[in-house]
Amino acid sequence: GEDVEQSLFLSVREGDSSVINCTYTDSSSTYLYWYKQEPGAGLQLLTYIFSNMDMKQDQRLTVLLNKKDKHLSLRIADTQTGDSAIYFCAETLYNTDKLIFGTGTRLQVFP
Amino acid sequence: DTGVSQDPRHKITKRGQNVTFRCDPISEHNRLYWYRQTLGQGPEFLTYFQNEAQLEKSRLLSDRFSAERPKGSFSTLEIQRTEQGDSAMYLCASSPPPGGPQETQYFGPGTRLLVL
Repeated sequence: GEDVEQSLFLSVREGDSSVINCTYTDSSSTYLYWYKQEPGAGLQLLTYIFSNMDMKQDQRLTVLLNKKDKHLSLRIADTQTGDSAIYFCAETLYNTDKLIFGTGTRLQVFP
Repeated sequence: DTGVSQDPRHKITKRGQNVTFRCDPISEHNRLYWYRQTLGQGPEFLTYFQNEAQLEKSRLLSDRFSAERPKGSFSTLEIQRTEQGDSAMYLCASSPPPGGPQETQYFGPGTRLLVL
């Protein structure tokens, strides 16, 4: 079935690393995504990973995928106050284009 | 082209009225999606177009909802006889033809609907 789960909140100090976790249930996932949403705004694509990859790095962002455990994580290095937002993981399944989103993790960065 | 645009950004209506939202995708993106996001939740898929053809509809899309993309460019989403439960953010996204390196969905700013 289609189910994507995330923890609701994460609070980190400015300059520390943040790790946001996501689990999914459908093994037919093809791509997995991380989106960022600031208050009252739409979704900004941060990064994505193909399901046959283990890791992807893009500047301060590192995505790790454990396909066996159906676990996806997003690490933000040197977290800044501008990173405060809601982060959604999402997946697309084989033979469909629709995105299935998690409930989102609210990241709060304090000085 | 600066991205996906949506109009209006906000809409307040009374229960029972009809509303229509518009989405303009990124130029040359042939695929267009509608999602609905309620408070505290992630977006939920409503429907999807490839060019002018509506290829998939969610069971969330009741018969009061209709979406069109008549010329394969902009799309409209109409809600008839609105109910308070329709209050949500309606998000539109577009993506390029499959097979390219950026085969991902880019979202607009959304239309926030409040039904009184």
